Amino acid sequence: EVQLQESGPGLVKPSQSLSLTCSVTGYSITSNYWGWIRKFPGNKMEWMGYINYSGGTIYNPSLKSRISISRDTSKNQFFLQLNSVTTEDTATYYCARYGGNFWYFDFWGPGTMVTVSS
Amino acid sequence: DIVLTQSPALAVSLGQRATLSCRASQSVSISTYNLMHWYQQKPGQQPKLLIYRASNLASGIPARFSGSGSGTDFTLTINPVQADDIATYYCQQSRESPHTFGAGTNLELK
Repeated sequence: EVQLQESGPGLVKPSQSLSLTCSVTGYSITSNYWGWIRKFPGNKMEWMGYINYSGGTIYNPSLKSRISISRDTSKNQFFLQLNSVTTEDTATYYCARYGGNFWYFDFWGPGTMVTVSS
Repeated sequence: DIVLTQSPALAVSLGQRATLSCRASQSVSISTYNLMHWYQQKPGQQPKLLIYRASNLASGIPARFSGSGSGTDFTLTINPVQADDIATYYCQQSRESPHTFGAGTNLELK
């Protein structure tokens, strides 16, 4: 079965960069599309962007100047980098796989909580 | 961006029907494809796909969950509600990027 697992620092200082890894098992990231989503305290969910099977990316315009998604196919991992973070970037970050042809997330990682604080 | 509006909370009794709504600020349908999806999230867990393309039950999801709708108005129905269904439910559209989520509906016991 497809499994995803996020990893990275749980605490980041303001103005620094947030870097997370999503490790995928049971499926190759050279197929399908793979996304990052975050959930803020209070329930709001934000779609951040995705990387596709060939390495192409699409980002949420609200983050476009700060976000980068990349991958390492040899390790079957993809990555999120978010620059110049503020306390408003405190959230639980999820990676997920887009299933099928209609852009729904069918497999999710358990999520990793990231706090931005000095 | 397409804005999805959900009621913040819905209180139901066990064994009764729950009807959750999601309204989009513009149509999320293309031809016969309704690009609205529903997820369930319990505290401390990741979201779980329930319904894709408005009315298709995801793998392993009980038949008491169903979805309907087209254009801008969509509904998730749980009938009958069981104790395990107490959770937050999100709709998400994939008609256009960014693939926005609704604010979620907290399903509560009456």
